[in-house]
Amino acid sequence: AQSVTQLGSHVSVSEGALVLLRCNYSSSVPPYLFWYVQYPNQGLQLLLKYTTGATLVKGINGFEAEFKKSETSFHLTKPSAHMSDAAEYFCAVSDWRNTGKLIFGQGTTLQVKP
Amino acid sequence: EAGVTQFPSHSVIEKGQTVTLRCDPISGHDNLYWYRRVMGKEIKFLLHFVKESKQDESGMPNNRFLAERTGGTYSTLKVQPAELEDSGVYFCASSQDRPGGGTDTQYFGPGTRLTVL
Repeated sequence: AQSVTQLGSHVSVSEGALVLLRCNYSSSVPPYLFWYVQYPNQGLQLLLKYTTGATLVKGINGFEAEFKKSETSFHLTKPSAHMSDAAEYFCAVSDWRNTGKLIFGQGTTLQVKP
Repeated sequence: EAGVTQFPSHSVIEKGQTVTLRCDPISGHDNLYWYRRVMGKEIKFLLHFVKESKQDESGMPNNRFLAERTGGTYSTLKVQPAELEDSGVYFCASSQDRPGGGTDTQYFGPGTRLTVL
């Protein structure tokens, strides 16, 4: 069965510091991987996704993630945190049948301190 | 273009009552998904419509949950009778229907927060 693990339910960084949110997945087939962000009182918004091709994926708002098959990881990074990045972040893998069903990790709340 | 909308945004009901949640997907999106997040847990898939047909309802918790998608447009999710453990946030998402659609972006609504007392 496929699964996603996000290390750390809460991450706190200072404004301007590196953001690193960890995601590990389990999948018996080549995965499609996603990062979503949820701002307060809003729906989930896609940050970026990996399907095939280049393993370093760039997304919106300066975020990027690298697919590492050998480590079964898809960590999300941003070089310099902004106060507006404070939100909850979700890593997800698409169901192996490629129907679009998403399997989510537990979510990581990012706090950005001034 | 309007995004995915959900109604109501909040619902507080007593155990044993019935609640109906509504989702309006983005116009032209054939795929519609329901997910649920129980407090402290991960977001979990409930079911998937392609147009008006249920493609996958493997995530529906039990037969107290009934989902419909009339005419392939909006969808409703009815919980009858509601139990305490049904409390959580119910998300709806939609995407276009294309071959290999597993990679298509799903657009999420803001969710309905259901509290069962």
